[in-house]
Amino acid sequence: DIVMTQGALPNPVPSGESASITCRSSKSLVYKDGKTYLNWFLQRPGQSPQLLTYWTSTRASGVSERFSGSGSGTYFTLKISRVRAEDAGVYYCQQVREYPLTFGSGTKLEIK
Amino acid sequence: EVQLVESGGGLVQPGRSLKLSCAASGFTFSDYAMAWVRQAPKKGLEWVATIIYDGSSTYYRDSVKGRFTISRDNAKSTLYLQMDSLRSEDTATYYCARHDRDSYAQNYWGQGVMVTVSS
Repeated sequence: DIVMTQGALPNPVPSGESASITCRSSKSLVYKDGKTYLNWFLQRPGQSPQLLTYWTSTRASGVSERFSGSGSGTYFTLKISRVRAEDAGVYYCQQVREYPLTFGSGTKLEIK
Repeated sequence: EVQLVESGGGLVQPGRSLKLSCAASGFTFSDYAMAWVRQAPKKGLEWVATIIYDGSSTYYRDSVKGRFTISRDNAKSTLYLQMDSLRSEDTATYYCARHDRDSYAQNYWGQGVMVTVSS
């Protein structure tokens, strides 16, 4: 199984500052089509997960430009610019390169 | 508007069975792969199973293989998860999610249904 390892954040993050979350995979997430199958989700308290980005850096429909994904191969980053109170929650990376699909353990973002 | 509504959760004793349903609307259900993802209390997300658009292929995490069965009825736009031989570690909120056709990301999620396995 591909293991996804997420980094922690120095919480709380002051409103208006930037925050970056790292995610490392135990195997390359590049598929034979050349695309990298890495997703980021946000789960706000008491809510279902929301897709933020897919293929490493493509923002999902309706997602703010303040969220930007980057990385390649086995190392990825989600950057949140000018954090707001509504960005609080737990962020998960996920690989869909192969089964079983696996998530990182989550990174909590608290806003000050 | 895409909607996914789960039902069928509840309290069940270890070793017993439960069947979850997910009613889909707002899109052509038969065009999409669907998944179940669960979350134990105060824990992270865990993919459980996926079924492709026509039901001809299914995939499971190891811990549920042989106990859980994912299925779908495209005529009813409904996804199912039959859970047999339930264990305490299956206690979780179960989410139904739709896979995007290109990226395979789960871009739509239901509100979740709670399953508690306890005597």
